[in-house]
Amino acid sequence: DSGVTQTPKHLITATGQRVTLRCSPRSGDLSVYWYQQSLDQGLQFLIQYYNGEERAKGNILERFSAQQFPDLHSELNLSSLELGDSALYFCASNPSGGGTEAFFGQGTRLTVV
Amino acid sequence: GQQVMQIPQYQHVQEGEDFTTYCNSSTTLSNIQWYKQRPGGHPVFLIQLVKSGEVKKQKRLTFQFGEAKKNSSLHITATQTTDVGTYFCAAPFSGGYNKLIFGAGTRLAVHP
Repeated sequence: DSGVTQTPKHLITATGQRVTLRCSPRSGDLSVYWYQQSLDQGLQFLIQYYNGEERAKGNILERFSAQQFPDLHSELNLSSLELGDSALYFCASNPSGGGTEAFFGQGTRLTVV
Repeated sequence: GQQVMQIPQYQHVQEGEDFTTYCNSSTTLSNIQWYKQRPGGHPVFLIQLVKSGEVKKQKRLTFQFGEAKKNSSLHITATQTTDVGTYFCAAPFSGGYNKLIFGAGTRLAVHP
């Protein structure tokens, strides 16, 4: 158990809909990362938050947004969903940023039908 | 650019054979990390290399960081079926809080 909790584990939704994925980092970790992993693909960096503030962005679509709350949990919002958004979405956390080991949650498998 | 190239994409070996995956960056890295993702699982940290020319071993796994800190390798000796999974390298790239960028991964299949 990495200590990072993601909910829900599975999500099936229709095209055009909006969903919210939730991540609770390890206790004490200030940095949260979101990654997208399409079928048999690598981990695409989406966005990073540190202590409530956005710190780095990757190839995140404009339809996607995220935030980190004062209690350090983070949410990834995906809107106007398309079939191609079907993927595993991972959240990871570490104490201070990319220089150290990242701990991954179990992921949320999103299926858009 | 802010990316790490990883090869090969796939590797099929017979149990007992060796396996190596390579990562390369065009820029000098402050450190490089290796992760393993079992089928259906999530990435799990294996090791971090920081020093130029560093070599670390974990049982049958040997990790190397190049002298120029631009490349790294993971070598598995005498693979076992438990080694099956995808191996990723990852490195922090510039920015105040260092976004962690992953290589494309090498999927290892081990045939008994």
